[in-house]
Amino acid sequence: AQTVTQSQPEMSVQEAETVTLSCTYDTSESDYYLFWYKQPPSRQMILVIRQEAYKQQNATENRFSVNFQKAAKSFSLKISDSQLGDAAMYFCAYRLSGSARQLTFGSGTQLTVLP
Amino acid sequence: NAGVTQTPKFQVLKTGQSMTLQCAQDMNHEYMSWYRQDPGMGLRLIHYSVGAGITDQGEVPNGYNVSRSTTEDFPLRLLSAAPSQTSVYFCASSSGQAQHQPQHFGDGTRLSIL
Repeated sequence: AQTVTQSQPEMSVQEAETVTLSCTYDTSESDYYLFWYKQPPSRQMILVIRQEAYKQQNATENRFSVNFQKAAKSFSLKISDSQLGDAAMYFCAYRLSGSARQLTFGSGTQLTVLP
Repeated sequence: NAGVTQTPKFQVLKTGQSMTLQCAQDMNHEYMSWYRQDPGMGLRLIHYSVGAGITDQGEVPNGYNVSRSTTEDFPLRLLSAAPSQTSVYFCASSSGQAQHQPQHFGDGTRLSIL
């Protein structure tokens, strides 16, 4: 079974600074997708960024980027120029390609942005 | 542009009561799923469906039933509520044809069992 591990329960960053959230996963498959979701206090699950495992290029969405290391099974999220609105719980998630199975989530990292 | 709609948003039950959490999506998605979110544990898959008439168990299915009579609706039933089922429940949907696309989540149902 696939597992996703987020080893940082809490992180904090100064406004305008950069922070990196860690995620590792365990799988014997080669074709899969990885996601970062943001959950603000409103409880909504908001997609931040996604990465296809077959793509070597790291995904980027504005201030958000990932460092995808397939051999190391690592998928970290970098937030640049942090803003107060980035404060939230962040979840890393895995989905096997071609499978009916749904997402496997990590336990989350609570990010605090300090003014 | 409704997306995934969950009702109710909050509910308090007594131990042993039954209840159905409703989930509807208007995106014609084949895949639908139910997760529960507990503190410090992320979201865990309860049940999922790949189309009308087809359901399967996820990681934590005990105590829950589902059915999928239409593409749009995927209700989650608690037959005899237990305090251990106190949690926040999320319904999600996604396209079965475009698996690189992310799941769309509802806003969640906060359920308390006394």
